[in-house]
Amino acid sequence: QKEVEQDPGPLSVPEGAIVSLNCTYSNSAFQYFMWYRQYSRKGPELLMYTYSSGNKEDGRFTAQVDKSSKYISLFIRDSQPSDSATYLCATYNAGNMLTFGGGTRLMVKP
Amino acid sequence: NAGVMQNPRHLVRRRGQEARLRCSPMKGHSHVYWYRQLPEEGLKFMVYLQKENIIDESGMPKERFSAEFPKEGPSILRIQQVVRGDSAAYFCASSPPGQGAVGELFFGEGSRLTVL
Repeated sequence: QKEVEQDPGPLSVPEGAIVSLNCTYSNSAFQYFMWYRQYSRKGPELLMYTYSSGNKEDGRFTAQVDKSSKYISLFIRDSQPSDSATYLCATYNAGNMLTFGGGTRLMVKP
Repeated sequence: NAGVMQNPRHLVRRRGQEARLRCSPMKGHSHVYWYRQLPEEGLKFMVYLQKENIIDESGMPKERFSAEFPKEGPSILRIQQVVRGDSAAYFCASSPPGQGAVGELFFGEGSRLTVL
């Protein structure tokens, strides 16, 4: 079983839609949860991170962690064509290395 | 402040040749990480280095792959006797000292290796 799993997509939505991206993870010891965004042919860049359970909001982006179900979500409101990218969730437990999901490719169509 | 610099951006090698990928971390960063990304797959951790030390190489294949981060100069990921299965994008990331094992990694734009 992979430590972090994501649906690879692609997920295609119209501009302005609310996007929901999800991950599941297997190791209950994971405490830190991150979302990276990767544009085509570029390196990943950190979008948001959360510690333990709960929500965190940053502009149009909301990260949500449910440790009881080992479920991580990223919501994007009012999606824009510039949001088209691959979104990688990652978990980071102290002493372990950053472990990535396979990424979900998002396409926002104007 | 320059970001993480990787070169070459693209490298083509024939089977059996050697590939050397270089990474200069962000200024002030002393931790370097190498990840491999296969087409349509996520990033797989390979190795974590600090200056002159390999901290964690649990993701490195046992043969043909090696990494170093010398006191002076960039970090080098070396792949000997490349095979077609080594074709991938290799990403380097860095983080500042004192951050420990948790925190943001800053990624370079990757080196894309193609083995013919």
